[in-house]
Amino acid sequence: AQTVTQSQPEMSVQEAETVTLSCTYDTSESDYYLFWYKQPPSRQMILVIRQEAYKQQNATENRFSVNFQKAAKSFSLKISDSQLGDAAMYFCAYRSGTQGGSEKLVFGKGTKLTVNP
Amino acid sequence: NAGVMQNPRHLVRRRGQEARLRCSPMKGHSHVYWYRQLPEEGLKFMVYLQKENIIDESGMPKERFSAEFPKEGPSILRIQQVVRGDSAAYFCASSPGATQETQYFGPGTRLLVL
Repeated sequence: AQTVTQSQPEMSVQEAETVTLSCTYDTSESDYYLFWYKQPPSRQMILVIRQEAYKQQNATENRFSVNFQKAAKSFSLKISDSQLGDAAMYFCAYRSGTQGGSEKLVFGKGTKLTVNP
Repeated sequence: NAGVMQNPRHLVRRRGQEARLRCSPMKGHSHVYWYRQLPEEGLKFMVYLQKENIIDESGMPKERFSAEFPKEGPSILRIQQVVRGDSAAYFCASSPGATQETQYFGPGTRLLVL
C-alpha cells in the first residue's frame, strides 16, 4: 500500500520569505500523480499544485513550485514571497496513475504553516 | 461554474441517531469520492462512486456506514446509529472522469455526535 509522510508537523516563515515543506512517499508503481492541497482555517481543501510522475519538469503555479525527485520519492513544496494568506495546513497527497489502479487519494498528516508579519 | 456543494455544513446528532450527508458534484463531474478527517489528522479515503455504482468502498467501516450516488440527485453518505467516534469532518470530492483527473473538494460537513 502506498504511504505519504510529512515529517514537519509545523513550520513558520516570515512574510515575504521563502519556505519549503517536505513530503516523501512510498510506492511500487511507476505511474502516479502527486498533489499539494491547502486547508486554511475555513477547512476548505484547496488544490495548490499537481505533478505527474512521468513529467521530469517540476510543476509551478505562480509563487508555488515543487521539487520532484522521483528516484528519492520526494515531493517538496516551495512557497516564495510568503503572504499572510498562505497560513494554513498543507497536505501532500498521492494517487495511482496505473490503469485499473485505485482512484483514491492517500494523504500525509499535514504541515501547519504559520506566516509571521 | 459552481463548485462541489455539501450540506449541511454542520450537523449535530445524539448517539444512536442517523446522519445523512449530501454532496452535489461539480457540473459535468460523474465521479464522487468521500473522505473523513479526524481531528489533527489528514484525510482518509472512504468510498468512490460513479452514478448508481459503488466502485471502491475499501475505506468504509463495515457496519453502520453506507453511500449512494443515484441517477438523479446528490450523493448521500449515511451513518446509522452514530457514536462519538464518528465526530469528524466529512469531505466530498468530484472529478470529471477516472485516473488523470484532479479531485476537487467541497467545503465539508462537520459532524458532532453528543
